[in-house]
Amino acid sequence: QQPVQSPQAVILREGEDAVINCSSSKALYSVHWYRQKHGEAPVFLMILLKGGEQKGHDKISASFNEKKQQSSLYLTASQLSYSGTYFCGTESWSNTGKLIFGQGTTLQVKP
Amino acid sequence: DGGITQSPKYLFRKEGQNVTLSCEQNLNHDAMYWYRQDPGQGLRLIYYSQIVNDFQKGDIAEGYSVSREKKESFPLTVTSAQKNPTAFYLCASSPVGDKIANYGYTFGSGTRLTVV
Repeated sequence: QQPVQSPQAVILREGEDAVINCSSSKALYSVHWYRQKHGEAPVFLMILLKGGEQKGHDKISASFNEKKQQSSLYLTASQLSYSGTYFCGTESWSNTGKLIFGQGTTLQVKP
Repeated sequence: DGGITQSPKYLFRKEGQNVTLSCEQNLNHDAMYWYRQDPGQGLRLIYYSQIVNDFQKGDIAEGYSVSREKKESFPLTVTSAQKNPTAFYLCASSPVGDKIANYGYTFGSGTRLTVV
């Protein structure tokens, strides 16, 4: 079953923060995050494997609450280059080895 | 440089015809995947393969077929049985096991298929 992302779309000014959420009804083994710019291939951002784990690089970080089957992506002090569509991909304990992606969250950062 | 190549970038097909989309990777990844992307629906899994000569259906496999005769190649055939084939198709590859934690999936640049 497809994970649910929220919000569906968000518009920011440069320097503002954003949070994108990903929720699944299945027990999760891992959560991946990808960003896709228009007309391009999705690009891997990070993967979270353990409950409560938090990862990040630059000003983009993510957390994974294994008990709630939820992950959140945090974008801090957003830049114009952060614009694009963000997808979470979830891997369940019952079916490792394949990702089911959410419907995507479109982020637009304005000057 | 290692990567994953999809061809062609644009493809036009007449109704009732089968068409094959190419996907080749030189990343030495064991696993390969095909996803379909439609506006507002994210990426939906068609087929995936974790080892040569073996593959599994994804959520929307009806009307599609694949083969995995070589580690580097995972072609997708869109058959005439696929009722609504017009879409953007993405191929991806990944390591399996613990190695995926460092690299995730690597996607190709996609093939846009239009039925005319």
